[in-house]
Amino acid sequence: DTAVSQTPKYLVTQMGNDKSIKCEQNLGHDTMYWYKQDSKKFLKIMFSYNNKELIINETVPNRFSPKSPDKAHLNLHINSLELGDSAVYFCASSPDRTSGANVLTFGAGSRLTVL
Amino acid sequence: GENVEQHPSTLSVQEGDSAVIKCTYSDSASNYFPWYKQELGKRPQLIIDIRSNVGEKKDQRIAVTLNKTAKHFSLHITETQPEDSAVYFCAASRPRAQKLVFGQGTRLTINP
Repeated sequence: DTAVSQTPKYLVTQMGNDKSIKCEQNLGHDTMYWYKQDSKKFLKIMFSYNNKELIINETVPNRFSPKSPDKAHLNLHINSLELGDSAVYFCASSPDRTSGANVLTFGAGSRLTVL
Repeated sequence: GENVEQHPSTLSVQEGDSAVIKCTYSDSASNYFPWYKQELGKRPQLIIDIRSNVGEKKDQRIAVTLNKTAKHFSLHITETQPEDSAVYFCAASRPRAQKLVFGQGTRLTINP
């Protein structure tokens, strides 16, 4: 029944490894996002996809590669993990942008710890 | 691009008192201003939002005010309760924008 679900919830890995986080929404929304929340709780947008098309890439290092196989799924792959990548990564979705209000529904978050 | 500043970063109030959190935005084209609440270890959730065609909106104990001229908006929580303790985020976006820009967050603690 979960509207936006992401896996895994926790991820602990070594520096230099590659890892992926998956996200799925069953709300029928057109737009999906990845946000990063650091230890100071700042919520910063990383990517936005609209109907599988990349719309926003907020100067994120190219070690981060999002992929949207269809409008209900948005995955995030991270290569060569660094200590600074440790954070909580939130997936979110919102309805068609022409609705005039960018109401986000967030997933539960994936806590990534890089050792 | 849009920049949203939020104050204070931490706020502690006695149960039953009111709490006010303030935000300013830089982009005069922004027209949508939501507030999200994030409880410890949980996801951010929308609690109230306002569009630029109104100056105030209320929902039970929470209210949001918007001053378009000054480019600032505020969240007001009255009769605070322990379950109001959380991190609150303001945000802003332009019409048909693909992203919300968040403020830095305010950690609100309600003291019994």
